[in-house]
Amino acid sequence: AQSVTQLDSHVSVSEGTPVLLRCNYSSSYSPSLFWYVQHPNKGLQLLLKYTSAATLVKGINGFEAEFKKSETSFHLTKPSAHMSDAAEYFCVVSEAGGFKTIFGAGTRLFVKA
Amino acid sequence: DSGVTQTPKHLITATGQRVTLRCSPRSGDLSVYWYQQSLDQGLQFLIQYYNGEERAKGNILERFSAQQFPDLHSELNLSSLELGDSALYFCASSVVTSRGSDTQYFGPGTRLTVL
Repeated sequence: AQSVTQLDSHVSVSEGTPVLLRCNYSSSYSPSLFWYVQHPNKGLQLLLKYTSAATLVKGINGFEAEFKKSETSFHLTKPSAHMSDAAEYFCVVSEAGGFKTIFGAGTRLFVKA
Repeated sequence: DSGVTQTPKHLITATGQRVTLRCSPRSGDLSVYWYQQSLDQGLQFLIQYYNGEERAKGNILERFSAQQFPDLHSELNLSSLELGDSALYFCASSVVTSRGSDTQYFGPGTRLTVL
């Protein structure tokens, strides 16, 4: 069965320090994995996507994620947080040609000045 | 701008009423998804349509229904509204290929307030 677990509901970092948002998944097949970001009162925006090519995926705004099959993880990182990164982040797993998609519960990122 | 449009942006109505939310997918996308986002329930998948046919159902109440029209736009109908239906409703669209899953692109959402 398919599932996604975002290990932290809230993460707080200082501006200029690294960001790590953790995501574990389970899937019966080779899934596609995504990270989306949602700023307050806005729609979800795609940050990056993994579809069995390179295991290190680079996204927009300096974010990247590494697919680790042995750990069933797809953690999102950024070397240096910016105030504008404060938002909610969703890890998503999708399989069966997009007909089965599961969203994680979300991680709210706070960035302190 | 994702290319997915939703109307209206805001909707305020009373309990017991019926409303219709509209979504136009990105050009070329055959698949449309509806989601509900509320403070207590988070982001919940409601229903998916693919080229006019219902393809997957999530946590959609019986009071809610949806359809996708031949021009691929979709409507979500919410009836006998309750206070707890107040939420952000998102539509997303995607191209689903034989090679596997494709990205969902989200619209800006419709904020529904039930008074």
